[in-house]
Amino acid sequence: QLQLQESGSGLVKPSETLSLTCSVSGGSISSPSYTWGWIRQPPGKGLEWLGSIYHTGRTHYNPSLKGRLSKSIDTSKNQFALKLSSVTAADTAVYYCARHTVGSTGWFDPWGQGLLVTVSS
Amino acid sequence: QSVLTQPPSASGTPGQRVTISCSGSRSNIGLNTVNWYQQLPGTAPRLLIHSNNHRPSGVPDRFSGSKSGNSASLAISGLQSEDEADYYCAAWDDSLTWVFGGGTKLTVL
Repeated sequence: QLQLQESGSGLVKPSETLSLTCSVSGGSISSPSYTWGWIRQPPGKGLEWLGSIYHTGRTHYNPSLKGRLSKSIDTSKNQFALKLSSVTAADTAVYYCARHTVGSTGWFDPWGQGLLVTVSS
Repeated sequence: QSVLTQPPSASGTPGQRVTISCSGSRSNIGLNTVNWYQQLPGTAPRLLIHSNNHRPSGVPDRFSGSKSGNSASLAISGLQSEDEADYYCAAWDDSLTWVFGGGTKLTVL
């Protein structure tokens, strides 16, 4: 059964870069049938898709993040990563990684358990 | 402000049927399929319905989805206490983003 697990710093200072890694087990991150995404949820609020990455390294970002986001994938480690620069308190959220099927008819499944990241000095 | 519009809350008594609406536009729900996610308190979202009306294995058939035009609905029949959760709709938008609804908090009275 495919499982995803987020890891990274739970506390980031304002203006610094948030870095998270998603480790995938029970399946290969190299499958061409899937992409690997990040979604966040501010405390008490709804879900926001941040971006996705294909096994080839091709990326797709939410334009609202205005160039602050970068993603990478390491197929040898079965991991993909997220970096969000110039963070502010508004970036405080639970960050989830998830797999989704390729294409506009896809869906996110499964999800990692989530990692709370707090932006504070 | 979410791209897809959901009522912030819904409620029902055990055994009742409840529906949750999700309104969008042609660029998202109108042209693409809708997925629904259930988020139990303190847990990650899980896929409940995909491709408008398909249940993944393990999801009870009490849950069903439908889509018409630029709107979609999630129906829960035979409401149970364990259905108390937040429910989110989602769809691809042709502006090249995945969009979500703001979520509906379902209370079982």
